[in-house]
Amino acid sequence: QQQVKQSPQSLIVQKGGISIINCAYENTAFDYFPWYQQFPGKGPALLIAIRPDVSEKKEGRFTISFNKSAKQFSLHIMDSQPGDSATYFCAASKGNNFNKFYFGSGTKLNVKP
Amino acid sequence: ETGVTQSPTHLIKTRGQQVTLRCSSQSGHNTVSWYQQALGQGPQFIFQYYREEENGRGNFPPRFSGLQFPNYSSELNVNALELDDSALYLCASSLGSSGGRQETQYFGPGTRLLVL
Repeated sequence: QQQVKQSPQSLIVQKGGISIINCAYENTAFDYFPWYQQFPGKGPALLIAIRPDVSEKKEGRFTISFNKSAKQFSLHIMDSQPGDSATYFCAASKGNNFNKFYFGSGTKLNVKP
Repeated sequence: ETGVTQSPTHLIKTRGQQVTLRCSSQSGHNTVSWYQQALGQGPQFIFQYYREEENGRGNFPPRFSGLQFPNYSSELNVNALELDDSALYLCASSLGSSGGRQETQYFGPGTRLLVL
């Protein structure tokens, strides 16, 4: 059973445009929602993360929007650049004394020059 | 640069064999988590080690086992390899405390395992 569902599977955006990736979850016990960026041949790198007590978090060109009632969260990349071309994963975890992260299936983003 | 290193980078094994993958955690980190990432999929949690003890396990069979050493480096062992074990194996390190949580995980580049 997939705990976190991510869409779209792939995304093509023109340089300067907005990239939007969506994730949905079922388990209301989840309380930490990170986004990871992965380049080919590299491990995932933490991009930005949010807790459900806020509806939005912004860091530079990256924004997470969180809708607790809908159990959905999304990543917005403003002014998308070719260097943003990578695979993006959303994830979720719950407040146990260890962190078992459930990852989405990934979105391959291609930003055209 | 995350500081997490993994070895080897690539590995080819045949079905039924055993494999050991290694991970050196980032300096100062005491927790290591292992993930399996199949092609085109997100990482799947295998298990986590905190201060040399297993601290949580995902839905993987017992033939997946691990160790953490006093310097907090770690090994992932897989026995009786199956074709479906072909994947990228990721190690992530973090700083945790007893009864607390680890949030920022730093991933290594992974070991790509191919089982023939």
